Amino acid sequence: GAGVSQSPRYKVAKRGQDVALRCDPISGHVSLFWYQQALGQGPEFLTYFQNEAQLDKSGLPSDRFFAERPEGSVSTLKIQRTQQEDSAVYLCASSFDAVGDGNTIYFGEGSWLTVV
Amino acid sequence: QKEVEQDPGPLSVPEGAIVSLNCTYSNSAFQYFMWYRQYSRKGPELLMYTYSSGNKEDGRFTAQVDKSSKYISLFIRDSQPSDSATYLCAMSPYNFNKFYFGSGTKLNVKP
Repeated sequence: GAGVSQSPRYKVAKRGQDVALRCDPISGHVSLFWYQQALGQGPEFLTYFQNEAQLDKSGLPSDRFFAERPEGSVSTLKIQRTQQEDSAVYLCASSFDAVGDGNTIYFGEGSWLTVV
Repeated sequence: QKEVEQDPGPLSVPEGAIVSLNCTYSNSAFQYFMWYRQYSRKGPELLMYTYSSGNKEDGRFTAQVDKSSKYISLFIRDSQPSDSATYLCAMSPYNFNKFYFGSGTKLNVKP
C-alpha cells in the first residue's frame, strides 16, 4: 500500500478484554516500530522490529503487552486483560532501513483504544 | 525528568508571523533530531530531519540544532492557518531504532 495501514482505527474494549491491533507497514520496509500516545502527550516507544526479529521491547509497559511480526511484514500488538490506563492511541511506524542519513520513518494514523 | 522537554503551549499567532518552537534534552547520545507535525486524529508526519549540529532549511521551515546547549528549534516563516497543528520534536541516538519525543506544542495560526 501507499502508506502504513493500521486497523482497527477505533476500538472500545471492556476492562479485562483482550485486544489485537494490526499494522501493515510500507512494502519493503525493514524496520517497524510501535508507539503509545496518551492524550496530550508525545508518542512513547514500545517496541522495535528489524524484519521478524524483535530487537527492543524495553518500552512494553507490562507482560500484558505482546508484539509479533512473524514473517517480517505485518505486525500485531496484543494487549491482554486490558486496563483503563491502556486507553491511548497506538501508533505503528516503518522505515526502509535502521540507519542512514535522510532515512524517513513513516507513521500510520493510529489505533485509538478506549477501555471502559 | 523526561529526556526531552517541550513547552506544550498552546501558541497562538496571527497569519504571516514567524513561529519559534523549541525543545531541550538531557541525553548527549542523541545524534538525530526530527520535527513532526500532527494534525488532530492523524499520525505524525515528518517535517524536518537533522543529523548532529547545524541548521537545515526547507521552504518556510528552518531547523536548528545546538548540541552544546542540548537545544533544538524549528522556525516557521510566513505562518499559514494550515500550519495549525501539534508540533513534536523527536530525537534518536546513533542506532536510530528508538525515538524519544517531546510532549508536543499546539500551534494555532489565526487568519
